[in-house]
Amino acid sequence: AAGVIQSPRHLIKEKRETATLKCYPIPRHDTVYWYQQGPGQDPQFLISFYEKMQSDKGSIPDRFSAQQFSDYHSELNMSSLELGDSALYFCASSFTSPNYGYTFGSGTRLTVV
Amino acid sequence: DQQVKQNSPSLSVQEGRISILNCDYTNSMFDYFLWYKKYPAEGPTFLISISSIKDKNEDGRFTVFLNKSAKHLSLHIVPSQPGDSAVYFCAARARGAGSYQLTFGKGTKLSVIP
Repeated sequence: AAGVIQSPRHLIKEKRETATLKCYPIPRHDTVYWYQQGPGQDPQFLISFYEKMQSDKGSIPDRFSAQQFSDYHSELNMSSLELGDSALYFCASSFTSPNYGYTFGSGTRLTVV
Repeated sequence: DQQVKQNSPSLSVQEGRISILNCDYTNSMFDYFLWYKKYPAEGPTFLISISSIKDKNEDGRFTVFLNKSAKHLSLHIVPSQPGDSAVYFCAARARGAGSYQLTFGKGTKLSVIP
């Protein structure tokens, strides 16, 4: 069965650079979520999109932005990268009512040096 | 303020015995609780969930118990197998303005010893 695809799997950037993370949800899922997991931390909700519109915003820095496109894939854009942005970034997708839980992608590991 | 707490960062259990992972929460608005299993370098994998209107849900070797009055839930794995060794995250769902957000605990690393 198709899963949530994230790209790239690994990304190394320098401070003050820009990074773009991509997420391709499971077909027919209408909601995409982004989570950030720092080293030794629990995943923190960043932002979500429902039917290509932002539906909720969590602890996402102003330097980050995201959008969902007409094909339902989503991109997380991160500018002016800081060392503290180094983390695993997970994307998840679901139907509007995820009573069986989200399906997470394998994540993108971003390292800022 | 940690709304979902997993107070045991790690747990070691002998193969074949029961593993019990605990989770406490503080937000009364949570209406659904989920357990995720995570291997290194992989995304969390959904394991089992329970609605706030139930007190028990069972799926094979996995059973989740919910005590609403105590704001406590637990995951039981019986019998434990070496392949169960992973980090287990407890998560709670609350309805946001337009979608369901999950709040995660910090995880418990389970090691099942052969």
